[in-house]
Amino acid sequence: GAVVSQHPSWVICKSGTSVKIECRSLDFQATTMFWYRQFPKQSLMLMATSNEGSKATYEQGVEKDKFLINHASLTLSTLTVTSAHPEDSSFYICSVEGSLTGELFFGEGSRLTVL
Amino acid sequence: GIQVEQSPPDLILQEGANSTLRCNFSDSVNNLQWFHQNPWGQLINLFYIPSGTKQNGRLSATTVATERYSLLYISSSQTTDSGVYFCAVASNAGNMLTFGGGTRLMVKP
Repeated sequence: GAVVSQHPSWVICKSGTSVKIECRSLDFQATTMFWYRQFPKQSLMLMATSNEGSKATYEQGVEKDKFLINHASLTLSTLTVTSAHPEDSSFYICSVEGSLTGELFFGEGSRLTVL
Repeated sequence: GIQVEQSPPDLILQEGANSTLRCNFSDSVNNLQWFHQNPWGQLINLFYIPSGTKQNGRLSATTVATERYSLLYISSSQTTDSGVYFCAVASNAGNMLTFGGGTRLMVKP
């Protein structure tokens, strides 16, 4: 299956700052990556679909100006949480479709805490 | 969108016991996956099983697509099996996964 790496694993920032999270597909060229968010003791919710070379597709209720997604290459997608606030504190995790069957593989996740 | 329901939400087992986790979904699917989320949050792929039956060691899974459900069997449970098990599906309309609410499993020694 695909190997997916996220960085950073943990980040703590002050309210009002911006945070960038990277998602790399290490062994597979991914034209599409998916970003999910998970609040404590809840399930994963799809935030957006990241498309290489074009604009991301956001799910209903997700602010595109708040969560900037850039997919500049076939191996890297970035999620930037702009002007972060405590309510943005969450676990952010990306996924890549790793094979012709459509099986998805996930990164290790990035835990964001906004003070 | 497609709805995914998992049961039970919580499960406590004694080490060595067997269990069955269920996933019901509301529409036709072209992808169904089972994951184990470890204490650090990482999702471990268990099965890619849009239909049929698969086995991997003490774990096995069956999906009956026509009846819109999937089952995950854990036999001879171990404390390391503890964690949250998620079922996730993609409908025929697209390949982004929709997750169920998860089953939180605790295996006691």
